[in-house]
Amino acid sequence: AQKITQTQPGMFVQEKEAVTLDCTYDTSDPSYGLFWYKQPSSGEMIFLIYQGSYDQQNATEGRYSLNFQKARKSANLVISASQLGDSAMYFCAMREGPNTGNQFYFGTGTSLTVIP
Amino acid sequence: KAGVTQTPRYLIKTRGQQVTLSCSPISGHRSVSWYQQTPGQGLQFLFEYFSETQRNKGNFPGRFSGRQFSNSRSEMNVSTLELGDSALYLCASSPRSMAKNIQYFGAGTRLSVL
Repeated sequence: AQKITQTQPGMFVQEKEAVTLDCTYDTSDPSYGLFWYKQPSSGEMIFLIYQGSYDQQNATEGRYSLNFQKARKSANLVISASQLGDSAMYFCAMREGPNTGNQFYFGTGTSLTVIP
Repeated sequence: KAGVTQTPRYLIKTRGQQVTLSCSPISGHRSVSWYQQTPGQGLQFLFEYFSETQRNKGNFPGRFSGRQFSNSRSEMNVSTLELGDSALYLCASSPRSMAKNIQYFGAGTRLSVL
């Protein structure tokens, strides 16, 4: 089974609107971290937001928030008030804990295009 | 604080050659991971080093190897290059090798094998 699944290869959003990028994960480790990264066309992976498996509240970082639904193993990224500069690839990632080797897994990514 | 630095940014090699890529982590970070990114396979984990020891290894052939020095800088070596090794190679550093540690990435080295 895939460790990280991103089912939306491409998404479009109108400037200033909110958009949700989906991510589901699969792990049996009780300790894990979930991450979202942005990759513009330049190639560099930019860290956006982190959610720990034991965190009670959903993570927020500025215009980014993570909708963490542990029972459903879902960690969707919500971008509010989209900007043209948000156009990029977005990757969901998970790092498992020591029980399963601390490995880092990435999804296949979602290409987001913000339309003016 | 300086970010993760990868050198060189671009490389062109021919089949059969070998190549060494370098990564300098963020100051104070002791864990360095390497990833290969291709359009077909996406981001694939190569290996992780922590305190000069390889902690984790992905599913890549032995032609891919790495090492970490006492100052946490890391190098990745690919021997006997194949056309399929053309990819963006990303290095990431984190303070430790733990689930809650954020990995910070460099700009990558784009390798083209002709």
